[in-house]
Amino acid sequence: GAVVSQHPSWVICKSGTSVKIECRSLDFQATTMFWYRQFPKQSLMLMATSNEGSKATYEQGVEKDKFLINHASLTLSTLTVTSAHPEDSSFYICSARAGERSQWRREQFFGPGTRLTVL
Amino acid sequence: TQLLEQSPQFLSIQEGENLTVYCNSSSVFSSLQWYRQEPGEGPVLLVTVVTGGEVKKLKRLTFQFGDARKDSSLHITAAQPGDTGLYLCAGARAAGNKLTFGGGTRVLVKP
Repeated sequence: GAVVSQHPSWVICKSGTSVKIECRSLDFQATTMFWYRQFPKQSLMLMATSNEGSKATYEQGVEKDKFLINHASLTLSTLTVTSAHPEDSSFYICSARAGERSQWRREQFFGPGTRLTVL
Repeated sequence: TQLLEQSPQFLSIQEGENLTVYCNSSSVFSSLQWYRQEPGEGPVLLVTVVTGGEVKKLKRLTFQFGDARKDSSLHITAAQPGDTGLYLCAGARAAGNKLTFGGGTRVLVKP
């Protein structure tokens, strides 16, 4: 399968600061990337879908001004948590899907996740 | 109410026993995927099923997609401690669409 990386793997920040998380597809071009949030012992909740070169589509209840998503290239998407608060502490996971002509067009490949702790 | 209901939520068995995890919905899915996730890591894709009635085998794991493409099951034969993890089903309503995840089934295989 294809490989997706995330950086950093974990981050601790003070309340009120902003944190940027990177998601990269290493061996394929990802026309679409997804950002999820996962709280302890729960399933993944989709936050937003981003397509390369266009604005992200956010799920209901997700503040787009707080969770800034940029998908500037076919291999990189970033999620910035602005003015983070303790309730934003969670496990953030990205996934990437290849284009329609790819053999992997039906699958999403997930990154290893980023553990965010806001003090 | 989740679009995809997984059951059971938690399963604890002894090494060597069999187990089945179910993923049910009232909606039809174009494709359905099963993932396994270990603590502190991202989900790892196990299989994708796309055809109603399809059965796929991956060593001791057997995946089935319902005839109507509304449900799926994962059966593990002779479970081993290495099978311990969170099993997630996820479906796409149409090709290329976003995935909807089930609530997950936490499996613990005791040696």
